[in-house]
Amino acid sequence: EVQLVESGGGLVKPGSSLKLSCVASGFTFSSYGMHWIRQAPKKGLEWIALIYYDSSNKYYADSVKGRFTISRDNSKNTLYLEMNSLRSEDTAMYYCANGRNFDYWGQGVMVTVSS
Amino acid sequence: DTVMTQSPASMSTSVGERVTVNCKASQSVGTVVAWFQQKPGQSPKRLIYLATNRHTGVPDRFTGSGFGRDFTLTISNVEAEDLAVYYCLQYGSIPPYTFGAGTKLELK
Repeated sequence: EVQLVESGGGLVKPGSSLKLSCVASGFTFSSYGMHWIRQAPKKGLEWIALIYYDSSNKYYADSVKGRFTISRDNSKNTLYLEMNSLRSEDTAMYYCANGRNFDYWGQGVMVTVSS
Repeated sequence: DTVMTQSPASMSTSVGERVTVNCKASQSVGTVVAWFQQKPGQSPKRLIYLATNRHTGVPDRFTGSGFGRDFTLTISNVEAEDLAVYYCLQYGSIPPYTFGAGTKLELK
């Protein structure tokens, strides 16, 4: 059974940093590209980042480019999202998803940016 | 960036009816479109990938169709458990990937 478990969220002040993790199980993590997607409260879904299976390529949405960094540790079956210079508009539920076709999603982790 | 225009924003239907949700891409995306279902308080779940392929375990009353710019999710014989918000996603070769705004399905 595929499982994706996000963690690391919380309440932070504008300008702060936070690092999210997504621990994967039930599939060969090192063979899959991974995504981060977010959803602001009562809003729709926004794709924000992709990392290839071997970290050879990384892509970002313009809304987070230069502030967020996606990375992975295949030895730990873990995906990361390092978020810097956080803004109130980054407040959202953050999901990780596996595969080129967004096969499975985690349950999400909430990030709240507020003074 | 490719914009996905999804319609309708909401719809009300009855159990046993057939409903369609549409997404129109601002440029051709071939078949790299997926559909997701998000029930209240839950994370999204994939229903359809590559426009027409049903995800494992998804009931065959969910059908995806389309190619190029126009895509459709059809739910036949709607059941009460289908109450949810449905999203389309285009994930062409080069990001950014973009979701439609969502369609809320309500039951009469």
